[in-house]
Amino acid sequence: GNSVTQMEGPVTLSEEAFLTINCTYTATGYPSLFWYVQYPGEGLQLLLKATKADDKGSNKGFEATYRKETTSFHLEKGSVQVSDSAVYFCALRGISGAGSYQLTFGKGTKLSVIP
Amino acid sequence: GAVVSQHPSRVICKSGTSVKIECRSLDFQATTMFWYRQFPKQSLMLMATSNEGSKATYEQGVEKDKFLINHASLTLSTLTVTSAHPEDSSFYICSAREVPSDYNEQFFGPGTRLTVL
Repeated sequence: GNSVTQMEGPVTLSEEAFLTINCTYTATGYPSLFWYVQYPGEGLQLLLKATKADDKGSNKGFEATYRKETTSFHLEKGSVQVSDSAVYFCALRGISGAGSYQLTFGKGTKLSVIP
Repeated sequence: GAVVSQHPSRVICKSGTSVKIECRSLDFQATTMFWYRQFPKQSLMLMATSNEGSKATYEQGVEKDKFLINHASLTLSTLTVTSAHPEDSSFYICSAREVPSDYNEQFFGPGTRLTVL
């Protein structure tokens, strides 16, 4: 079946530090890959996505590259801000056992950025 | 962007009672809605998929008689936890998709924290 493994948190960084959150996946076929962000008290929001190998998704200074050879989709940001404090979820959209497209999520990584 | 709301945000109930959670798409018509469950420090687990006007499709291991899902309109889906027990305590999250295409984005609600005493 499909699965997503992401680094466990919490992660605490100082403002302007470099961020990496690792994510690897297992899936049949060619899944699409996503990063979602959940700010306190809000629903999950799509941060970025990539639909095929070597695609790079980017948004708000965050980037992630779809690496088929290493089955990875690591999230990076060069300089984090306090406002980036949130929980980040890696996810894939692939075909489930029932034959339909479904999202499979990692456990989430809580990021705290301190001034 | 599209907004999905959930009500209530938190609910505490006694064991044996039923609890209804609402999921609404505020500015679009949701032909498909999804219900997820999240345990502490765990990923979101899909419980069921519902299409407007038809019966929900439940994931393996989810009791359909315990978790009743109704998607009677294009903007509202409800999840009713019947005869709730402490092990049903969890964070329930819904999401909605505007059109039936599998490639369309899902928009997530803020979640409902259920505590069963």
